[in-house]
Amino acid sequence: EIVMTQSPATLSVSPGERATLSCRASQSITTNLAWYQQKPGQAPRLLIYGASTRATGIPARFSGSGSGTEFTLTISSLQSEDVAVYYCQQYNNWPLTWTFGLGTKVEVK
Amino acid sequence: QVQLVESGGGVVQPGRSLRLSCEASGFALSRYGMHWIRQAPGKGLEWVAVIWYDGSEKYYADPVKGRFTISRDNSKNTLSLQMSSLRGDDTAVYYCVREAGHFDLWGQGTLVTVSS
Repeated sequence: EIVMTQSPATLSVSPGERATLSCRASQSITTNLAWYQQKPGQAPRLLIYGASTRATGIPARFSGSGSGTEFTLTISSLQSEDVAVYYCQQYNNWPLTWTFGLGTKVEVK
Repeated sequence: QVQLVESGGGVVQPGRSLRLSCEASGFALSRYGMHWIRQAPGKGLEWVAVIWYDGSEKYYADPVKGRFTISRDNSKNTLSLQMSSLRGDDTAVYYCVREAGHFDLWGQGTLVTVSS
């Protein structure tokens, strides 16, 4: 099973500052990596897929990068509405599995 | 409107069964693989099961294998999850999710509580 490790567990960032979230896969997943945002009491929402492609309607301040085993989600200028838990998820073809990281909670400092 | 709406959650005793349903609207369910993903209270996301777009293949996470059954009726645009021999650690919000490689559309979730 591919294990996804996210860091840090919690990130406190001042409004307008940059937030950088990391995700590591236990084996190469090329760019089969997605990021999701989950606000309290809501279902997760797709932000990024293919490691770097923004989903429809996602603001440009969200960007993804990486390949292989190391990935990053960057929020270029944190807004109050970005307070949420962010999950990375791999969808590699083999082994046929879908696994999530444990999440990074983003707070406003 | 493109959406997924789950139903069927509730409180159930350990060892009993429950059936969840998911109704798709605004798109053709038959074009997509569909998943169930769950989230225990205060915890992260856990993949549960997948069914191919045509129902030809089904796969399950180890904790639910042999107890849960995923199915679909493309003519009715519905997805189901039959859960049996329920345990306390099955308590979670269950999400119906559309797959396009990644998970691009989520339902609002339905809460299943397993408790005596």
